[in-house]
Formats: sequence, structure tokens, C-alpha cells
Amino acid sequence: EAGVAQSPRYKIIEKRQSVAFWCNPISGHATLYWYQQILGQGPKLLIQFQNNGVVDDSQLPKDRFSAERLKGVDSTLKIQPAKLEDSAVYLCASSLVSDRGFHGGELFFGEGSRLTVL
Amino acid sequence: SQQGEEDPQALSIQEGENATMNCSYKTSINNLQWYRQNSGRGLVHLILIRSNEREKHSGRLRVTLDTSKKSSSLLITASRAADTASYFCATDAPNSGGSNYKLTFGKGTLLTVNP
Repeated sequence: EAGVAQSPRYKIIEKRQSVAFWCNPISGHATLYWYQQILGQGPKLLIQFQNNGVVDDSQLPKDRFSAERLKGVDSTLKIQPAKLEDSAVYLCASSLVSDRGFHGGELFFGEGSRLTVL
Repeated sequence: SQQGEEDPQALSIQEGENATMNCSYKTSINNLQWYRQNSGRGLVHLILIRSNEREKHSGRLRVTLDTSKKSSSLLITASRAADTASYFCATDAPNSGGSNYKLTFGKGTLLTVNP
């Protein structure tokens, strides 16, 4: 079974530039997550999709971050314009879901996309 | 905000010894999960313990959960150099609006197992 695919693995940009990350979840997983992990910290949830609807985006900086999940499968996370503090690893994860958003189970993570903002 | 807090932040042991990591959290949970992250890699799920369970085993892993103290511990027995990684606890709890459950991670414990 193929795992969660993410690209690119590494990206270096100047501040105020834009960047996009792509994620392909495990086939059949209805729930998709984007986490931000700053060096030395645990992952912080940015946005959670169930199929192609947003379930939770309370910690997404909406003035610069946007995310979409087309047709309930692949997802892209965009940052525009980037700031120095956006330097982090962006982790995509997916999981099965039971009902009403209660996933109650394990998350499967991709390898992450490491962003460096200079 | 980080719900779970792991303790210690870093742990260094010799191969063959046991490693114990603790996690404390603040609110009621549906379940608690432990994940491992090797340097530069994604997180890998280790074990899930539900709020009505007190102890769970998986191979060399033993997890306990005390909901009255809002704490959990992860024990790795007979550690190996390959166990060197960061370990995170994650709590599955309702979001602030109560409309959904979300998984919130702690800051992690960095475990180093010396050969």
C-alpha cells in the first residue's frame, strides 16, 4: 500500500515570495491534515479536511496561508507571501474517518516538505 | 496550543536499558496516541490507548493511561540504537467549538540510545 506522498521535499525561498506544497493521501482516506512543525517542536495542526470540506482551520493564518483539496483527494497548501517565521516542515497526514468527523484512529504521515525562508 | 507535554525533553540511555517517557495533558480526551519521528522524517504511529483503557502493550512498548491524573507513560523495554528518535504523545479531543475531534501533539521527547 502506497503511503502519503508529499512534494517538494525541500524548498528555499526569499521572504515575501510564494510557495506551494502538494500532498496525495493514502487511497480511501477521507480525512487529510496539514501540520506545521517548527524545529524542536511538535506538529501544529493548520487545517483538517474531511473529503473536500474544511473541518478545522482555526490555526491557519488565513492572511497568508491557503489550502484546498480538490475532488476529496489531493491537496495543496500555499503560502503567499512567506515570512521568516514560516520556516518549518509542513507535514501532510491522512486517516480513515468513522462518522461526524470522529476519526478516533491513527494518522499516516508523509515525509514532509522542509521550507526555509531567507 | 499544545495540549500534551512530554517529560523529559531529552533522554539518553545505553542499549539494553529501558526508556520511560511521560505525557501530561489538560482536558478530557477520546484517546491518546504515541508517535515516533526519526530525524528528517515523518511521524510514525506507535500505539493508541482509549480513554477507557489503562494499559496497552505492543511488542517492546507498554503504554499506560491515568485519566484521573491526565497523564500517560510510554515504556520501551530492551532499547536498541534504532530506537533513537523523537517520541510524541498526541491527544484526540474535541476542538474548541466541540464540532470535531482533532489530534494535538506535544513537544516531544528526544531519545538517544547509545550502542
